[in-house]
Order: sequence, then C-alpha cells, then structure tokens
Amino acid sequence: QVQLQQSGPGLVKPSQTLSLTCAISGDSVSSNSATWNWIRQSPSRGLEWLARTYYRSRWYNDYAVSLRGRITNNPDTSKNQFSLQLRSVTPEDTAVYYCAGASTGAGYLDSWGQGTLVTVSS
Amino acid sequence: DIVMTQSPDSLAVSLGERATINCKSSQSVLYSSNNKNYLAWYQQKPGQPPKLLIYWASTRESGVPDRFSGSGSGTDFTLTISSLQAEDVAVYYCHRYYSTPYTFGQGTKLEIK
Repeated sequence: QVQLQQSGPGLVKPSQTLSLTCAISGDSVSSNSATWNWIRQSPSRGLEWLARTYYRSRWYNDYAVSLRGRITNNPDTSKNQFSLQLRSVTPEDTAVYYCAGASTGAGYLDSWGQGTLVTVSS
Repeated sequence: DIVMTQSPDSLAVSLGERATINCKSSQSVLYSSNNKNYLAWYQQKPGQPPKLLIYWASTRESGVPDRFSGSGSGTDFTLTISSLQAEDVAVYYCHRYYSTPYTFGQGTKLEIK
C-alpha cells in the first residue's frame, strides 16, 4: 500500500516561493507505471490539478497552463520523493495542497498525502 | 479545459435510502482506443484528503463497500449509494483523468435527512 507523507511550511509571504515535499513509501518515484501529482483545494477554486511528474525511460512533467512559468515538480530518486515549488505566490495561492499518486499511470488518484494548508500572507 | 458539472450541489437522504449524484462532462470521457470511460469518483470527509471510490466509471476500488456503484458513459455519469449509512456523510467529487489538465466536479455535499 502506497503512503505519501507531505512536509513543508504552512505560511509563505507574498512574492516568495512555496515549497512542499512528498515522501513516498510502498512505491518508487521512478516507477515505470505510476505518476506523481500535486492538487490544491480552496473554497473559490475547488479541487485544482497543478502538476504531474513520471518516469518512462526518461522524466516527464506536465503543469497547469495557468501556473506555467511559476511551478516546478521535481523528483528526487535518492530520497524517493517529489517536490513542488510555486514561485511569486499571492494570497490567491492560499489553499490546502495535496500530493497524490496514480499507481497504474491511468490517471485515477489512488493514494493521497495528508494535505498541507498553505497560507500566503505577510 | 474540460468542465465537470455535478448535480445537485447538496443532497439530504434518510438513513437506509438511496442517494444519487450526477456528473456531466463538457466533452466525452469515453476513448475509443480502449473503450474506457476515464471517470473517477472520490469521497472526502472533513479534514481528510479525497478517497478513491470508483474508477473507469464503474470499477469499485478495493475495500469500498458494495453499496457504492458507478454508472454512465460518454458525458453523463452517476454515483449511487444504495442504502445510506451514517459514515457516508461527506462531499463527493467526480474526476476526469484521460489527459492533463485533470479536472474535477465542484462537489456534492451529502447529508442525513
């Protein structure tokens, strides 16, 4: 059974960078079948998919168009984890952030981190 | 982006009665290459992440009670709880996952009448 453990700060100042990490147990970030995602949830936007990383002989990354240029999702094979960075944050980026895995790669999300409430405020 | 619209936004059902939640996609999620509907359902309780209930529109995730079922194809889907239990109080979401950007419905809040 895959378990995902999130870590990172809950408060970020405007214009700074939001950084979260998701540690994987029970699977590998380099799996040739799984994908590793970030989703956020806020009252105004509901559930919003942000990013995906996966390995199929090489690394692939997909990002939400609205965040392109501000977001990266990087795997760390040495620690079996993946990390989200969202730059130049504003109060609109305040949300609960989740990491989530799709073990078969089909896209349905069968493992989730516990969630991190990130507040953007000075 | 493909828009997923759920109805109703909220629903109150008596214990033991049937609950039905609908999800409509702005484009078909049925792909002819494998004849599969790329549609999942999740349950979210307060303070918890979403939990996968159903994928491929009608396949129950391991460990999910058989009172939960999914149906539909193309653009119109339904999640049915055949006999509502107290622990089913939650918000339910549909999710289209064929390709990114993945999109979710706005959620349906299910309560006990």
